[in-house]
Amino acid sequence: DQQVKQNSPSLSVQEGRISILNCDYTNSMFDYFLWYKKYPAEGPTFLISISSIKDKNEDGRFTVFLNKSAKHLSLHIVPSQPGDSAVYFCAARSSLGGTSYGKLTFGQGTILTVHP
Amino acid sequence: KAGVTQTPRYLIKTRGQQVTLSCSPISGHRSVSWYQQTPGQGLQFLFEYFSETQRNKGNFPGRFSGRQFSNSRSEMNVSTLELGDSALYLCASSLGTMVSWQFFGPGTRLTVL
Repeated sequence: DQQVKQNSPSLSVQEGRISILNCDYTNSMFDYFLWYKKYPAEGPTFLISISSIKDKNEDGRFTVFLNKSAKHLSLHIVPSQPGDSAVYFCAARSSLGGTSYGKLTFGQGTILTVHP
Repeated sequence: KAGVTQTPRYLIKTRGQQVTLSCSPISGHRSVSWYQQTPGQGLQFLFEYFSETQRNKGNFPGRFSGRQFSNSRSEMNVSTLELGDSALYLCASSLGTMVSWQFFGPGTRLTVL
C-alpha cells in the first residue's frame, strides 16, 4: 500500500524552463510534506517543506504547492538549471500523537534531467 | 556544523552473517531515523530513536534492530543476513520536533553475497 506516490518516474526539461514534479498521497493523517533531492552515492538533501495549514511555500527558485482536498502536492523549479538534474523525492509525515516526527513516508522518486 | 556521518560506507557480507552499521548525528540532534533504499522498494522507514528510546518502527522483521546511545549516536544491526538485505542504508538526524526536517548521511552500501 503506497501512501505516497510519484507517478512520473522521469521528467526532462530544457534549461531555463519550469520543472514541475508531482506527488499524491492517500493518508489523510499526513500534515507535513517535504521534498528532497538526491544525487547518486549521496544521501537525500532537504529542499523545501510545507505544513498542511499552508497551500504554498516558496524558497528561491523552489515553490511547493499543496492541495489538501486533492491530496496532491507539487514542486516547481523556476528557472531550471542543469545542476538541478537529480532524483527528487516527495515525503510525508504525520504529527499524530506527537511522536511520529522522525518517520517519513517517501514516494518512489522522479528523475529530473535538465538539458543545457 | 559537521553533517551526519555513517560508517562504514561500503560493506560486503555473506548470507547468514550479521552486520552493524553506525551513525553519528548532527550535534544537538536527538532523533535518529534509519531507512533502507532499494531499487524496487524505494526509501523505506526502518525505525527512529529519540533520546535513547525507539519512538517509531517500520514494517521490517525482527532481524533488523537498533539502539541509540546517550550521545545520540545510533547503531543498526541486521542478523542472519539475506540476499534481499542488499541495499543502501541511510541514517537521518533531526531535532525531532514538529517543524524539523531530517538531514541525511551519505549511507552505507551493504552487499550480501
